[in-house]
Amino acid sequence: AQKVTQAQTEISVVEKEDVTLDCVYETRDTTYYLFWYKQPPSGELVFLIRRNSFDEQNEISGRYSWNFQKSTSSFNFTITASQVVDSAVYFCSNAGGTSYGKLTFGQGTILTVHP
Amino acid sequence: GAGVSQSPSNKVTEKGKDVELRCDPISGHTALYWYRQSLGQGLEFLIYFQGNSAPDKSGLPSDRFSAERTGGSVSTLTIQRTQQEDSAVYLCASSLVSSGTTEAFFGQGTRLTVV
Repeated sequence: AQKVTQAQTEISVVEKEDVTLDCVYETRDTTYYLFWYKQPPSGELVFLIRRNSFDEQNEISGRYSWNFQKSTSSFNFTITASQVVDSAVYFCSNAGGTSYGKLTFGQGTILTVHP
Repeated sequence: GAGVSQSPSNKVTEKGKDVELRCDPISGHTALYWYRQSLGQGLEFLIYFQGNSAPDKSGLPSDRFSAERTGGSVSTLTIQRTQQEDSAVYLCASSLVSSGTTEAFFGQGTRLTVV
């Protein structure tokens, strides 16, 4: 069974600050996939990134970066120089084993970026 | 269409009535998922379809819930004898294949209110 924990319920920052969203996952699968989704006020879940369990290479994409550490079962997400438009709920999720279609989501972190 | 389309966007129904929620996935996507988002339970997996394989129904909360996918495209989620605890946003998603190697694209959801 998969489990995802996002310990931060809400984060509030001022524009241009950097912010890191934490995610810790649990799985017994040797092969699994990790995802981050963003849910703006419009309600639609927007895919941000996917990582395979066998690829620990971290990635930077514009203002976004991800830190995948298998040793600590963490998959953290950082926004550099946050903007008001980054305000949303961010969900970390995983899928693995023979049930790749079953995304297990964390409880989400509400990010509010103030001008 | 360009994205996953769900209808209706909002549905108010009386307790005990049946409801049908519709999902049009992205053309060519073989995998289709239903999730439920509620305040108390977060994002919960309900069911997913992969091509012609038998659907994974392991997330359906009771036998009042059922889903069909006709012709490998449109899906309908049916809730019979609705209860107040069924009130939630029902999200549909589709992906190219259900392998974890491709991300899921979500619709904007159907907000169901049972009164």
